[in-house]
Amino acid sequence: KNEVEQSPQNLTAQEGEFITINCSYSVGISALHWLQQHPGGGIVSLFMLSSGKKKHGRLIATINIQEKHSSLHITASHPRDSAVYICAVYSNTGNQFYFGTGTSLTVIP
Amino acid sequence: DAGVTQSPTHLIKTRGQQVTLRCSPISGHKSVSWYQQVLGQGPQFIFQYYEKEERGRGNFPDRFSARQFPNYSSELNVNALLLGDSALYLCASSPAGRNTEAFFGQGTRLTVV
Repeated sequence: KNEVEQSPQNLTAQEGEFITINCSYSVGISALHWLQQHPGGGIVSLFMLSSGKKKHGRLIATINIQEKHSSLHITASHPRDSAVYICAVYSNTGNQFYFGTGTSLTVIP
Repeated sequence: DAGVTQSPTHLIKTRGQQVTLRCSPISGHKSVSWYQQVLGQGPQFIFQYYEKEERGRGNFPDRFSARQFPNYSSELNVNALLLGDSALYLCASSPAGRNTEAFFGQGTRLTVV
């Protein structure tokens, strides 16, 4: 069983739709990241969360520590949002990151 | 400020060969971690180095080794390459004492033929 589970695996949306990607984890964590990976590989951290909610532009990330669950929301989606979104948690016992397998998002104009 | 830089960006090797991948962390960052990302999967932790010492190791065979230099740059070495080693190898650096913050490089795409 993976320490981090993401859903859905693939997501296709029309431009302007509201999008939600979910992440559940099974280890104790110090922090959770939502990462964005474009074709070609480079990874960018969109958010780092340890509690509550953060907002940056059209992106919102929430975390529920008790339920070990996080969500990434994209409002008014745009084709440039097309990428793979990866949930990563920093384990407070193993001192390492565990990653989900990613959600491949395609936003159609 | 330059971000995390990795070299080379792409590499093709044949089975049995050895490869060395390089990573330069963000200036001032003393911790470097390496990850392997097989196509269609999330990254898997390989090593973490801090102040030139190995601080963590993932579930990878001894063919994988790494080191960190006095300037905090790092090399990942893989010996006796297998087809299954084909992957994107990512390096991330973190500020001292803040391992929860990770800044990723663009990765090195290794293809073993």
